[in-house]
Amino acid sequence: SQKIEQNSEALNIQEGKTATLTCNYTNYSPAYLQWYRQDPGRGPVFLLLIRENEKEKRKERLKVTFDTTLKQSLFHITASQPADSATYLCALDPLGGGYNKLIFGAGTRLAVHP
Amino acid sequence: NAGVTQTPKFQVLKTGQSMTLQCAQDMNHEYMSWYRQDPGMGLRLIHYSVGAGITDQGEVPNGYNVSRSTTEDFPLRLLSAAPSQTSVYFCASRALTGGRLDTQYFGPGTRLTVL
Repeated sequence: SQKIEQNSEALNIQEGKTATLTCNYTNYSPAYLQWYRQDPGRGPVFLLLIRENEKEKRKERLKVTFDTTLKQSLFHITASQPADSATYLCALDPLGGGYNKLIFGAGTRLAVHP
Repeated sequence: NAGVTQTPKFQVLKTGQSMTLQCAQDMNHEYMSWYRQDPGMGLRLIHYSVGAGITDQGEVPNGYNVSRSTTEDFPLRLLSAAPSQTSVYFCASRALTGGRLDTQYFGPGTRLTVL
């Protein structure tokens, strides 16, 4: 069956370090992969989108990589801050363009300690 | 722009009651969706719409109905609430830009408890 997995355990890091979150998937050939941030009691907020023909995407302190051979995406936050503490969700868009069936992972909670 | 709005924020129902969760967006997006989020699970798609008058089922549609009479509004109806429908419900919308789906915007969610 189709599956998307994120680390269920919380990731605890010290302020200033780089946080790396992992998203693994099976039985998909995704066209797009997206990362979202979700704070407690709020809806997810879109952060970055990476397409199947892109290896890496950056936005300020955020970096996403997409390895379609390993079926894995890594999400990096450099120079992390306590304000980065949240749950981060990855989502696959299996077909891209014309369809709206995003498939979400359960998310990884990040805690950045001062 | 208010973005995607949802009402109510919280709701408690008894088993067998019906209700409608409201969702509205003011961004003129063609695509709208309803998801539910349960602890330890990813967001799961309930129903979605690709435009006014057009809806389709997602991964977990049983027990829910939708309609889309306008671009702005996409209500979700629970026909006969069951405890298994206790969850947090999110509405979302996306634009179709240059033939490709754009960023998805989520509403703040409705926390529903069915007793």
